[in-house]
Amino acid sequence: KAGVTQTPRYLIKTRGQQVTLSCSPISGHRSVSWYQQTPGQGLQFLFEYFSETQRNKGNFPGRFSGRQFSNSRSEMNVSTLELGDSALYLCASSLAGYGNTIYFGEGSWLTVV
Amino acid sequence: AQSVSQHNHHVILSEAASLELGCNYSYGGTVNLFWYVQYPGQHLQLLLKYFSGDPLVKGIKGFEAEFIKSKFSFNLRKPSVQWSDTAEYFCAVNSGGSNYKLTFGKGTLLTVNP
Repeated sequence: KAGVTQTPRYLIKTRGQQVTLSCSPISGHRSVSWYQQTPGQGLQFLFEYFSETQRNKGNFPGRFSGRQFSNSRSEMNVSTLELGDSALYLCASSLAGYGNTIYFGEGSWLTVV
Repeated sequence: AQSVSQHNHHVILSEAASLELGCNYSYGGTVNLFWYVQYPGQHLQLLLKYFSGDPLVKGIKGFEAEFIKSKFSFNLRKPSVQWSDTAEYFCAVNSGGSNYKLTFGKGTLLTVNP
């Protein structure tokens, strides 16, 4: 069974640009969430989607957005990139329902120069 | 808002030593607790989780954790560490009403010397 797959794995962008990251959840998982990991702030929750609807949102500016498609695949977008957006972006998926394990992908490393 | 505190930033042990990593959370309601591990170059993997029942939880690779509600703690333990346990360990919590938003501690880097 394939795990959570994220693309691209590594990318470099320039300040002011925008970026789109993609996530394919484990087959059958309808909940997809995104986290930002940095050395200073650690792992921080960005948002969570279920059945194409955003259910939870973390404390990030509106430049961070996401969406989920009918096949549960998800994308997150960051517009007007800042140097501080350099981070590892992790996608996670789980089955619907209480008590299910959240599985993480390997992440997308974003460097903003 | 809930928060998670991991006491040690970096722990260095020799093989066969015993391990205990501290984790405290702040949230007054029902919580679910997790320990994740991130081996070098790999993705976050679940070590163990606590939802309800026996407060002593056993996970993979010989790890266990004890939930002490009165102390708001969920410490991770292993009786004898191996070099392959070198990794970063994250404690996480979510409140009972939301299964999908994890609040993580800052992580503890464990280095095991052979």
